[in-house]
Amino acid sequence: NAGVTQTPKFQVLKTGQSMTLQCAQDMNHNSMYWYRQDPGMGLRLIYYSASEGTTDKGEVPNGYNVSRLNKREFSLRLESAAPSQTSVYFCASSAGMGNYEQYFGPGTRLTVT
Amino acid sequence: GQQVMQIPQYQHVQEGEDFTTYCNSSTTLSNIQWYKQRPGGHPVFLIQLVKSGEVKKQKRLTFQFGEAKKNSSLHITATQTTDVGTYFCAGPLKAAGNKLTFGGGTRVLVKP
Repeated sequence: NAGVTQTPKFQVLKTGQSMTLQCAQDMNHNSMYWYRQDPGMGLRLIYYSASEGTTDKGEVPNGYNVSRLNKREFSLRLESAAPSQTSVYFCASSAGMGNYEQYFGPGTRLTVT
Repeated sequence: GQQVMQIPQYQHVQEGEDFTTYCNSSTTLSNIQWYKQRPGGHPVFLIQLVKSGEVKKQKRLTFQFGEAKKNSSLHITATQTTDVGTYFCAGPLKAAGNKLTFGGGTRVLVKP
């Protein structure tokens, strides 16, 4: 039981490049989330998927897109990376929204130069 | 707008001392959750409080949910170096579609 896994762990991009961050959970959770955390700061929600087949914007969605590929997988795509997107990205999952604890992946440390 | 706030933002503690960090919501919450993030790590769920006035303990950590269910506190006794990290509270806000909304965190530094 691996919990929440994320790939890659580290990534360096040049401005304008694109990439997809992958996330998978093996806990049969309905809800999945993408957060970003800037140095010394809190967690900001980018996008979430309340259940398979649905996705919604969070607090900071601009510059990102997501795909809930199936119940297990939720990917985050940066179409044209910008230095302002340098951050640590965490994927999380939970059994449902709001009243359930979230389980976080180990994070992807992204640097955009 | 509705939000979850934590104070203090930073807490410097001498090893062996006690301290308390606070979490406040602008609206009543159905539950409050606490997470801990070690430096370089990811947030890890610690506990959930549901009832008004509820108090739960985990070894040296005591969590309390306010009577009005709008605030919570985390008290750590006899702080150890293993307590270093950022502690986040989170609660579901109606204005956010009942999504779990995280506070800004209290970053705890322990002086040996």
